[in-house]
Amino acid sequence: GENVEQHPSTLSVQEGDSAVIKCTYSDSASNYFPWYKQELGKGPQLIIDIRSNVGEKKDQRIAVTLNKTAKHFSLHITETQPEDSAVYFCAASPQGAQKLVFGQGTRLTINP
Amino acid sequence: KAGVTQTPRYLIKTRGQQVTLSCSPISGHRSVSWYQQTPGQGLQFLFEYFSETQRNKGNFPGRFSGRQFSNSRSEMNVSTLELGDSALYLCASSLYPLAVNYEQYFGPGTRLTVT
Repeated sequence: GENVEQHPSTLSVQEGDSAVIKCTYSDSASNYFPWYKQELGKGPQLIIDIRSNVGEKKDQRIAVTLNKTAKHFSLHITETQPEDSAVYFCAASPQGAQKLVFGQGTRLTINP
Repeated sequence: KAGVTQTPRYLIKTRGQQVTLSCSPISGHRSVSWYQQTPGQGLQFLFEYFSETQRNKGNFPGRFSGRQFSNSRSEMNVSTLELGDSALYLCASSLYPLAVNYEQYFGPGTRLTVT
């Protein structure tokens, strides 16, 4: 079955700097890769997703890149702000698998 | 549009008891999935319901079950509770079945503590 590895487990950056979180997946049939942000006491919030027919997707300060050959995808947050502090999860879904497999999460802390 | 709602938000139960958690999806969404979140295991898929039918089930014992009603609301039940069942239980709704890989939106979760 699908396995998703996420790194780093914790990340601390200065406000205004960029943050990058990386995930690798095992099943080459995976074709959908969402990213979620979870704040304390809340459920995960979908922030961006990418499908296997696209190499990069941007939404304001957030971007996701996908390398199908290497089976890895990354989340890039630019001009970080204190409200970006949260736990971020990547996930992968093999086509027809009918479920999402999540990475272990990255705790991102933005230092003012 | 209202988001996914889950009730109750917090629950404390004793070992051996059973518990029922409820989830109301976003209006118009027909797929409801359940996940268990723990510090050690992370987010793990429990099952998905679409149009009142269970579409897929994760690797959990039979003590974990669920159902979906005609209005798409879903309940999950855990019988004979064990200490290890203490977790945040999350519900996610989607317009289409998970097999279509459409966006899923999560609720705030129910924090279950088993003593």
